[in-house]
Amino acid sequence: SAVISQKPSRDICQRGTSLTIQCQVDSQVTMMFWYRQQPGQSLTLIATANQGSEATYESGFVIDKFPISRPNLTFSTLTVSNMSPEDSSIYLCSAYKPGTVYGYTFGSGTRLTVV
Amino acid sequence: AQKVTQAQTEISVVEKEDVTLDCVYETRDTTYYLFWYKQPPSGELVFLIRRNSFDEQNEISGRYSWNFQKSTSSFNFTITASQVVDSAVYFCALSAPSGYSTLTFGKGTMLLVSP
Repeated sequence: SAVISQKPSRDICQRGTSLTIQCQVDSQVTMMFWYRQQPGQSLTLIATANQGSEATYESGFVIDKFPISRPNLTFSTLTVSNMSPEDSSIYLCSAYKPGTVYGYTFGSGTRLTVV
Repeated sequence: AQKVTQAQTEISVVEKEDVTLDCVYETRDTTYYLFWYKQPPSGELVFLIRRNSFDEQNEISGRYSWNFQKSTSSFNFTITASQVVDSAVYFCALSAPSGYSTLTFGKGTMLLVSP
């Protein structure tokens, strides 16, 4: 399947700081998606990122807290700002790959712990 | 609105037992895709299957099989002769056919296979 390289794989951060997560896709994709998975929970969509336009955020998520960049068709970043322990989660990026069996490909996830 | 229900929160079986994970979905779309993913403790999402709503044939892949029943809006997943390595959280998901649409995930079923 197509590869998304996601970094960092894990981090422990102090409350009040920010962390930027990067995702690099091995080929051009139109849409990228960012998900949050809180401990023991399912995946919740944070936002959809289209190259050249502002990301579209889901209810409950705001740009000031989760700014997203999409500078080109193979790269995106998600920043978790002013972190609190409630932000401790796994964050995953995803991309849709048309013409593939799997459709959506996922990064390996960033396991964030805020202390 | 789309919705995916995985009523089984956790299932425990002994190795070599067969186990079925249930998935019920709701959508107003006439065309859609259904997915199953495996999430081992490491956190990455492993693609298992994608099924188009027009294709109601059951599918078998090794010890895995899927039963798609459009009449009951169900897409159940059976593991035959379970193994310890099958222990993971399994997610059922739903999307519209466009790559611009997002995945709606169920809450997941944790499968514990003991020796």
